[in-house]
Amino acid sequence: QVQLVQSGAEVKKPGASVKVSCKASGYTVSNYGVTWVRQAPGQGLEWMGWISTYKGNTKYAQKVQDRVTMTTDTSTSTFYMELRSLRSDDTAVYYCAYCGGDCQYNWFDPWGQGTLVTVSS
Amino acid sequence: QSVLTQPSSASGTPGQRVTISCSGGSSNLGSNSVNWYRQLPGTAPKLLIYSNDQRPSGVPDRFSASKSGSSASLAISGLQSEDEADYYCAAWDESLKGEVFGGGTKLTVL
Repeated sequence: QVQLVQSGAEVKKPGASVKVSCKASGYTVSNYGVTWVRQAPGQGLEWMGWISTYKGNTKYAQKVQDRVTMTTDTSTSTFYMELRSLRSDDTAVYYCAYCGGDCQYNWFDPWGQGTLVTVSS
Repeated sequence: QSVLTQPSSASGTPGQRVTISCSGGSSNLGSNSVNWYRQLPGTAPKLLIYSNDQRPSGVPDRFSASKSGSSASLAISGLQSEDEADYYCAAWDESLKGEVFGGGTKLTVL
């Protein structure tokens, strides 16, 4: 079955970048993508974007589109989400989730375990 | 302020039936299917309902959902203590061109 395992917690200073990884197993990553969702402490879920390897494209949320890049390394079945110019309000748990071939209009299942990114000076 | 509106909290006693509403607009629930996620304390969200009313394998039939127009609802019958969690609705929004989530409903089993 599909499993997603994310990289460990990160602490970054404001203005720095972070790159979170999401290693997939149980499916061919060149055919199916992942979505990224974050959750600030005590807050709800916020969609950040998806990378559809099936369609060969990405879609980013307007709020972060100037600072985020989502990529795939098919040789290691790993997805990456890089967020640049970090601010304190980027402090959150970042989740990857499987979204099938067409991430638009699709549901997210399963989810990775989450990666806590803390932005602090 | 979330695009999809959910009550911030809900509660019930064991065995009761509880419903959680999710209200949106023509560009999201009015156009597209809704999915529901459950998040137990300290864990990642998990898919609970997809395509408005479909249960993934392993989700008990105590959980049901429906959608009408720009509103959706999740019902949990035979409430159990382990149902204490945060519940989120989500859908694609055609105007924002992105996935939108409700603010989440914290369910407490009294």
